[in-house]
Amino acid sequence: SAVISQKPSRDICQRGTSLTIQCQVDSQVTMMFWYRQQPGQSLTLIATANQGSEATYESGFVIDKFPISRPNLTFSTLTVSNMSPEDSSIYLCSALEDRYNEQFFGPGTRLTVL
Amino acid sequence: ELKVEQNPLFLSMQEGKNYTIYCNYSTTSDRLYWYRQDPGKSLESLFVLLSNGAVKQEGRLMASLDTKARLSTLHITAAVHDLSATYFCAVDHDRGSTLGRLYFGRGTQLTVWP
Repeated sequence: SAVISQKPSRDICQRGTSLTIQCQVDSQVTMMFWYRQQPGQSLTLIATANQGSEATYESGFVIDKFPISRPNLTFSTLTVSNMSPEDSSIYLCSALEDRYNEQFFGPGTRLTVL
Repeated sequence: ELKVEQNPLFLSMQEGKNYTIYCNYSTTSDRLYWYRQDPGKSLESLFVLLSNGAVKQEGRLMASLDTKARLSTLHITAAVHDLSATYFCAVDHDRGSTLGRLYFGRGTQLTVWP
């Protein structure tokens, strides 16, 4: 199974600032995704990180707020821009392992915005 | 918009008992995932169900998929305390070649007591 790491694991940020979260997969994968899990809630898909092209965003999420990079088949970043307390969540990246059709998740980044 | 309904949301059961968690979804999909999440942890992949009639078992857990009824079940047999966790079902809202966009149910918080 794919092993996914994320940095940072947690952060406390001031409103109005931005934070970039890194996601590294230990093998090449075609599809990577970013999700948000608000406290005590389920997971919501933010976007699909496409290698070599712009990310595809779900309804309610926009590139200006959540810019995403995917420079190669093992790495992606998510930036949370101009943060407000409502952005306090756990942000998880995931990768779809093509061979087994399984989607694995990183450990998450716990973000608190003051 | 794809809706995923999971029930019950809270389940408290005695060790040794059996119970079933249900996952209904609103649009056509042939790919359904079950995950486990322990408090403060990321998601652990339990089952990947890829076709109508698929049934998979691992230990005391068994998952099935009926794509015609748009229903998946997670059956717990002879529950033990170690199964206490939150269980999520997730449906792949595949559109053409874009696989892996998962829509999650709200989760079932399972507590197994002696």
